Amino acid sequence: GESVGLHLPTLSVQEGDNSIINCAYSNSASDYFIWYKQESGKGPQFIIDIRSNMDKRQGQRVTVLLNKTVKHLSLQIAATQPGDSAVYFCAENRGAQKLVFGQGTRLTINP
Amino acid sequence: DAMVIQNPRYQVTQFGKPVTLSCSQTLNHNVMYWYQQKSSQAPKLLFHYYDKDFNNEADTPDNFQSRRPNTSFCFLDIRSPGLGDAAMYLCATSRDASQETQYFGPGTRLLVL
Repeated sequence: GESVGLHLPTLSVQEGDNSIINCAYSNSASDYFIWYKQESGKGPQFIIDIRSNMDKRQGQRVTVLLNKTVKHLSLQIAATQPGDSAVYFCAENRGAQKLVFGQGTRLTINP
Repeated sequence: DAMVIQNPRYQVTQFGKPVTLSCSQTLNHNVMYWYQQKSSQAPKLLFHYYDKDFNNEADTPDNFQSRRPNTSFCFLDIRSPGLGDAAMYLCATSRDASQETQYFGPGTRLLVL
């Protein structure tokens, strides 16, 4: 079936380095994507979103890239900090008020 | 601050004893969702309300029910909790239809003894 997934379940980076978290999706009709950050014991927190008419969107220290040709989404975090440690989910909004989550990537920051 | 609130944050229940989880929102959003999230897994949608219209996911067990008495509140009822129902239950809201961000509450962690 169609799904939204992540290439790597875990990612470990050095503090201060840039992090790149990837996501593949299979529904070519999807037109809206969201990245969430979930810290241990908390609910998912909205980070950034992107619509399919865009290929890049920037926020504070974060950038989302969308490649519709290969159905790939990525989240870039600049100058990673200890507070960035969390599980990151991409999610695909397929309309009808439904959100499909990817597997999740656990980001660990090394001092 | 406008937000999504879930009570309680932790709930312990006995096997087979009905339990109700609560969610409220001050965002005045039309749509409210309930997700189940087990350890190291992505949230799984159980059902959602678009205003008063209830939308159940095809694979949500009958053991799970929901009520939305007004715009601000939504409840998740688990009629006969089993050990496999132990999980984090997340409530979320969105303003309206597609291409809308969902905002999540902090979750209620349910333990079944």
